[in-house]
Amino acid sequence: DTGVSQDPRHKITKRGQNVTFRCDPISEHNRLYWYRQTLGQGPEFLTYFQNEAQLEKSRLLSDRFSAERPKGSFSTLEIQRTEQGDSAMYLCASSGPHSNQPQHFGDGTRLSIL
Amino acid sequence: GESVGLHLPTLSVQEGDNSIINCAYSNSASDYFIWYKQESGKGPQFIIDIRSNMDKRQGQRVTVLLNKTVKHLSLQIAATQPGDSAVYFCAEMRRTDKLIFGTGTRLQVFP
Repeated sequence: DTGVSQDPRHKITKRGQNVTFRCDPISEHNRLYWYRQTLGQGPEFLTYFQNEAQLEKSRLLSDRFSAERPKGSFSTLEIQRTEQGDSAMYLCASSGPHSNQPQHFGDGTRLSIL
Repeated sequence: GESVGLHLPTLSVQEGDNSIINCAYSNSASDYFIWYKQESGKGPQFIIDIRSNMDKRQGQRVTVLLNKTVKHLSLQIAATQPGDSAVYFCAEMRRTDKLIFGTGTRLQVFP
């Protein structure tokens, strides 16, 4: 399977804990995106990397959120001190090598905060 | 699997009929548009895209129409099949690479 891979698929944690999600993009894609989706809504943009550079961050991405793409390949999204409102599906997408090309999504990580 | 959208606009069609899903976008500066299909428990799946210098694009069983005058996008699915049942999102891209998604429409196909 050469699609976008996300791990884990589900994460259940207690409020206040830290969580980290991983995304492996399609290998030839240099652009990687994180989105968040809640029930009944479309995905909302969180942040975007071109190679290892983080080029844009949404205002949705509070100080508790951090994303990295250290070698321009896989990416991690960490949420510190999780809150109830962080419960959502976290989606990763990749595209490239040029702009205005389709973004291809993984199947997401479902985060549930107890 | 978990439902993607519980209270979305719903389009119900009979198997074999054509489906038309509509979307209004917000920003006249948007220059790239994508339709996605999302099934329960899965991520959005790319269906078809169109750039703002076009008004129509066809794929396999799908056609996207773009009307920039009224900022309207539609997705036509020919000979709708049960496997087409899902939530459909339009998304627009404005200068930067981030996608802005619409609300979504649930398509239900009945025999």
